[in-house]
Amino acid sequence: GESVGLHLPTLSVQEGDNSIINCAYSNSASDYFIWYKQESGKGPQFIIDIRSNMDKRQGQRVTVLLNKTVKHLSLQIAATQPGDSAVYFCAEMISGGSNYKLTFGKGTLLTVNP
Amino acid sequence: DTEVTQTPKHLVMGMTNKKSLKCEQHMGHRAMYWYKQKAKKPPELMFVYSYEKLSINESVPSRFSPECPNSSLLNLHLHALQPEDSALYLCASSQASSSGAKETQYFGPGTRLLVL
Repeated sequence: GESVGLHLPTLSVQEGDNSIINCAYSNSASDYFIWYKQESGKGPQFIIDIRSNMDKRQGQRVTVLLNKTVKHLSLQIAATQPGDSAVYFCAEMISGGSNYKLTFGKGTLLTVNP
Repeated sequence: DTEVTQTPKHLVMGMTNKKSLKCEQHMGHRAMYWYKQKAKKPPELMFVYSYEKLSINESVPSRFSPECPNSSLLNLHLHALQPEDSALYLCASSQASSSGAKETQYFGPGTRLLVL
């Protein structure tokens, strides 16, 4: 079936390093993707999004790359800080009638070591 | 302001109890959502409201009953729940997608529910 998944369930990095979190999607009709950060005990927090007419989008310390050819999405975090430790979800927007359903990938736990 | 608020933060209830979860947003969003999230799992969609009308029900058991009294409020009424319903219940809101454009969903902090 169609699904959104992640290559790595856990990622451990040193403070100051760059982090890359990957996500694969299988629905070729998907054209909107969102990265969320979820800290322990909190709801998902919007980080950055990208539409399929773009290959790259940059935010503050974060960059999302979209490769539609291989159906791959990545989130790059520059100069990772301890406060970046969280679970990161990619989410795919799939059409569901007159509304659009958000389907989440499995999530990657990012641990930043001081 | 991208804040979605949810009350209560925590809820413990017995299997015969009736309780309600509440969600509120003042961003002018006309689409609101309920998700269920089990530990170490991604959020799973339960219900979608668009312009105060239920538009998506992901085959959720009838012991969960959503209600959207106005454009800012979303409730989830709970009755005769089972222990396996224990989870984090998340509310989200977004601009409505009547134009066909996909819109970002903003999440609340969730209500952590424990059913005994």
